[in-house]
Amino acid sequence: DTAVSQTPKYLVTQMGNDKSIKCEQNLGHDTMYWYKQDSKKFLKIMFSYNNKELIINETVPNRFSPKSPDKAHLNLHINSLELGDSAVYFCASSQGRERDTQYFGPGTRLTVL
Amino acid sequence: GDSVTQMEGPVTLSEEAFLTINCTYTATGYPSLFWYVQYPGEGLQLLLKATKADDKGSNKGFEATYRKETTSFHLEKGSVQVSDSAVYFCALTGGGFKTIFGAGTRLFVKA
Repeated sequence: DTAVSQTPKYLVTQMGNDKSIKCEQNLGHDTMYWYKQDSKKFLKIMFSYNNKELIINETVPNRFSPKSPDKAHLNLHINSLELGDSAVYFCASSQGRERDTQYFGPGTRLTVL
Repeated sequence: GDSVTQMEGPVTLSEEAFLTINCTYTATGYPSLFWYVQYPGEGLQLLLKATKADDKGSNKGFEATYRKETTSFHLEKGSVQVSDSAVYFCALTGGGFKTIFGAGTRLFVKA
């Protein structure tokens, strides 16, 4: 059973399009995260939700909008895609206490042409 | 703000060599410290962690000790294998849910 899953695994799209990435966790965790990993492997937190409430909202363009319909899901919608959005996006979850271990999904490689 | 600095890679070793990847941190208070590993094409997974000073985290032959006096959490393994080839991330979580990751160190192990 996959603990944290993301769809799609690969996403190739044109500049200006709108796309979504979905994330689901079956660990019963209360906290979920979105990270962006650039081509040099640098990992940057974007958003985090705890019990469906936004608790981390880093400085990202407002073209990026997270949505948490329930504790097990955290989706990422991106409007007006730009070349610089090309990266690998990772979803993660943790139990919900501060400083918990995070469990990562396999990643979604987004390529904007 | 909090930060993590780890040695730049890539690190290339022969099988059975000794591995050290240095990690130092800056944080207020008493953070928890982590090493995560990312194998090719996969997400990160926890390798080991330590939650207070002088704690030693260990897993799969890897070890790291939380040194508050030197603000360090160096990763070591006595004898690396080809299957250890991956990117290793040092990370810290201070108060709250935000985790700060180092830039990652790529390890290549040659047979």
